Amino acid sequence: KNQVEQSPQSLIILEGKNCTLQCNYTVSPFSNLRWYKQDTGRGPVSLTIMTFSENTKSNGRYTATLDADTKQSSLHITASQLSDSASYICVVSRSDYKLSFGAGTTVTVRA
Amino acid sequence: GAVVSQHPSRVICKSGTSVKIECRSLDFQATTMFWYRQFPKQSLMLMATSNEGSKATYEQGVEKDKFLINHASLTLSTLTVTSAHPEDSSFYICSAPKRLGFGGDEAFFGQGTRLTVV
Repeated sequence: KNQVEQSPQSLIILEGKNCTLQCNYTVSPFSNLRWYKQDTGRGPVSLTIMTFSENTKSNGRYTATLDADTKQSSLHITASQLSDSASYICVVSRSDYKLSFGAGTTVTVRA
Repeated sequence: GAVVSQHPSRVICKSGTSVKIECRSLDFQATTMFWYRQFPKQSLMLMATSNEGSKATYEQGVEKDKFLINHASLTLSTLTVTSAHPEDSSFYICSAPKRLGFGGDEAFFGQGTRLTVV
């Protein structure tokens, strides 16, 4: 079964601190893995996209890693800001372009 | 990057009426678009796949007569919620995939539509 599991479900961090979100998947056949940021009441916005041959990709203060062998990915947020408060969704794309969504991790950054 | 525009962003309608939601790919052609539904604090749930020039493909449990999908052009797909009821109140999001150079694709999402049926 094509599944994407994210952890933790939610977390609270202080402004300026770092945090790491986890994503494990069993989706096959694998095409690429993306991380999206979704603000409340808005559509998801892409942060990173990685194919099986890429093991790290950065977008500003966001750094994603991928281990295609263990089928694990992480998203690291550095020096968090209040605007980072959002839901972060791990999405795995299959070779037939169908997407499998994780339930998301809700990040709350407090001053 | 590519842009997908969804309209309206919010709509309130009376029970029994129909509501149309539009999804447009602004700077690329999309032969396929996806419609999702999202309940509070839950992930996106795929409702249907909209195919330009042919019938939409609905996920199991989604009533095709209630959620009418039309993909009349390469840049526009519409979702019509017919005879809406309060339980149809939800956040609806569309997405359109854009093919990338390495053979994969990137999904671009609309801003979402908050539907409230009263």
